[in-house]
Amino acid sequence: KNQVEQSPQSLIILEGKNCTLQCNYTVSPFSNLRWYKQDTGRGPVSLTIMTFSENTKSNGRYTATLDADTKQSSLHITASQLSDSASYICVVSYRSNDYKLSFGAGTTVTVRA
Amino acid sequence: EAQVTQNPRYLITVTGKKLTVTCSQNMNHEYMSWYRQDPGLGLRQIYYSMNVEATDKGDVPEGYKVSRKEKRNFPLILESPSPNQTSLYFCASSLSGTAGGEQYFGPGTRLTVT
Repeated sequence: KNQVEQSPQSLIILEGKNCTLQCNYTVSPFSNLRWYKQDTGRGPVSLTIMTFSENTKSNGRYTATLDADTKQSSLHITASQLSDSASYICVVSYRSNDYKLSFGAGTTVTVRA
Repeated sequence: EAQVTQNPRYLITVTGKKLTVTCSQNMNHEYMSWYRQDPGLGLRQIYYSMNVEATDKGDVPEGYKVSRKEKRNFPLILESPSPNQTSLYFCASSLSGTAGGEQYFGPGTRLTVT
């Protein structure tokens, strides 16, 4: 069973609107949680990295939150743009083995004009 | 330009024919890793390397080999490829000696095994 679950699997939003993606994980204890953006056919690019003691981290119009007690994270995209169309991947690293990562399957976001 | 490069970018081969996918980084990173990405499954870690001559298995190592003889290179070897290894492969590197640091991904190698 995947230790990182993301929802929704996909979503479509209109340009200029906001959206929130969810990530639930069971990796415990974990070292850090990160969100990546992956454009079609390209490698993932890091958006945010949060340690277990951080609650929120922003990168421009992207804001990630983390609740280590409930093992949930969210990625909020503000004022979406067409270039935000991509897959967003939640990734958790293990504190017991800081060399391994567990990836979510991703949420595909489509922004329409 | 700081980057991770992979070659080839696209490869079609037949079952059983040995192949190597190269990965190179020019950032003097200690940590390197290989992943495969399949629809609906996301990225899965194949092998990783903490430094030169130090490698370990990820979640799906069966059918793959790696080596790390130089810091900048981390080739992925498929000794006898099978159709279930058809996938999109990514190499990544990280400055820190662990996966905890920010990882930089290569452009990907799309492999088809017939």
